[in-house]
Amino acid sequence: GAVVSQHPSRVICKSGTSVKIECRSLDFQATTMFWYRQFPKQSLMLMATSNEGSKATYEQGVEKDKFLINHASLTLSTLTVTSAHPEDSSFYICSARGLAHMGSSYNEQFFGPGTRLTVL
Amino acid sequence: TQLLEQSPQFLSIQEGENLTVYCNSSSVFSSLQWYRQEPGEGPVLLVTVVTGGEVKKLKRLTFQFGDARKDSSLHITAAQPGDTGLYLCAGEPGGSYIPTFGRGTSLIVHP
Repeated sequence: GAVVSQHPSRVICKSGTSVKIECRSLDFQATTMFWYRQFPKQSLMLMATSNEGSKATYEQGVEKDKFLINHASLTLSTLTVTSAHPEDSSFYICSARGLAHMGSSYNEQFFGPGTRLTVL
Repeated sequence: TQLLEQSPQFLSIQEGENLTVYCNSSSVFSSLQWYRQEPGEGPVLLVTVVTGGEVKKLKRLTFQFGDARKDSSLHITAAQPGDTGLYLCAGEPGGSYIPTFGRGTSLIVHP
């Protein structure tokens, strides 16, 4: 249980194009999903918190017009990187959190496998 | 300022050695999670500690939560090359529902 999928796993795009990344919780309903960015050999940097049916909450310094987040259902959140540039190249990871998952009362996060974005 | 101070940042050891990774904070956490991440993959949850003073064991890994719930440690006994990876501690301080991560400990175990 507690499986989170992410698609695509790897994407290469040209500068100026937009890229959509999907995050799905496969066996539980995720009340909250988080989007992270990670640079090589560094920890995760939280970009935004996404709650189903409401607007995402972005961390300081993250442009909400550039990183569009849609949490349309309890099992799906999408991150769209608009007008991507080479500096947006990174490893993007989502996580999902559901209340009382698997009988646990802790709000644990379960992570997707990540998406490697390369902008040429 | 990092809310969760994790140390050491890098660790390179020989197979069979023991090691300890620390995660410290001035804030109280209702729970702390430890994750392990391999290159190109998402973090995988190892354990959640909840009760102050709690000790949990996962094979050769021992996790401890401080009595005051401000710090935690991960001890690996007789490390193996398969333990190589990035170890991350994470938690939600106080009444926050927003998770915070430590900087991570990059562990390499040489055969």
